[in-house]
Amino acid sequence: AQSVTQLGSHVSVSEGALVLLRCNYSSSVPPYLFWYVQYPNQGLQLLLKYTSAATLVKGINGFEAEFKKSETSFHLTKPSAHMSDAAEYFCAVSVGSGTYKYIFGTGTRLKVLA
Amino acid sequence: GAVVSQHPSRVICKSGTSVKIECRSLDFQATTMFWYRQFPKKSLMLMATSNEGSKATYEQGVEKDKFLINHASLTLSTLTVTSAHPEDSSFYICSASGPLAGVETQYFGPGTRLLVL
Repeated sequence: AQSVTQLGSHVSVSEGALVLLRCNYSSSVPPYLFWYVQYPNQGLQLLLKYTSAATLVKGINGFEAEFKKSETSFHLTKPSAHMSDAAEYFCAVSVGSGTYKYIFGTGTRLKVLA
Repeated sequence: GAVVSQHPSRVICKSGTSVKIECRSLDFQATTMFWYRQFPKKSLMLMATSNEGSKATYEQGVEKDKFLINHASLTLSTLTVTSAHPEDSSFYICSASGPLAGVETQYFGPGTRLLVL
């Protein structure tokens, strides 16, 4: 069975500081991993995904994530936080099984301080 | 690319009535669509998975007679909440995936806020 753990339900950073959102997964087979962002009262927007190609994945809005198999991690980073990055971030794992259902983490709310 | 729309964005209805929510993939063929429910400040809960032309597969604990899902075409799925009650009030989000957009990747709609009075 697959699972996802997001450490830290709330993360605060100063504008211009490094953003680090943590995601650890558990999967018995090679996973697909995703990061999504959700702004209030909106759906989820795909930031980036890992699908067994390059382990360092670059996404939109300056975000990137590195797949580390030895650590079973897929942490999301951004070198310099912007006020517009304040949102809820979800990590998800999917395993190829025909329908590719997602297992979501519990989410991390990012707050950016001026 | 890979845009998913939902309609309506917000709906208020009286207890006992039925409400239909549409989910459309605008620029790709969605062979699979998913319906989620999200409670305030919570993660998404998968309700059901539907493949075009097939009956939906519901997650454990989801009443299939209450939440009717239809996926009649490669670009449209509908969720009908039948005999809605206040406890059905929630944020409903659909997602879609397809071979050209990446079968392993889900693209999400903007969500529908349902309030049952």
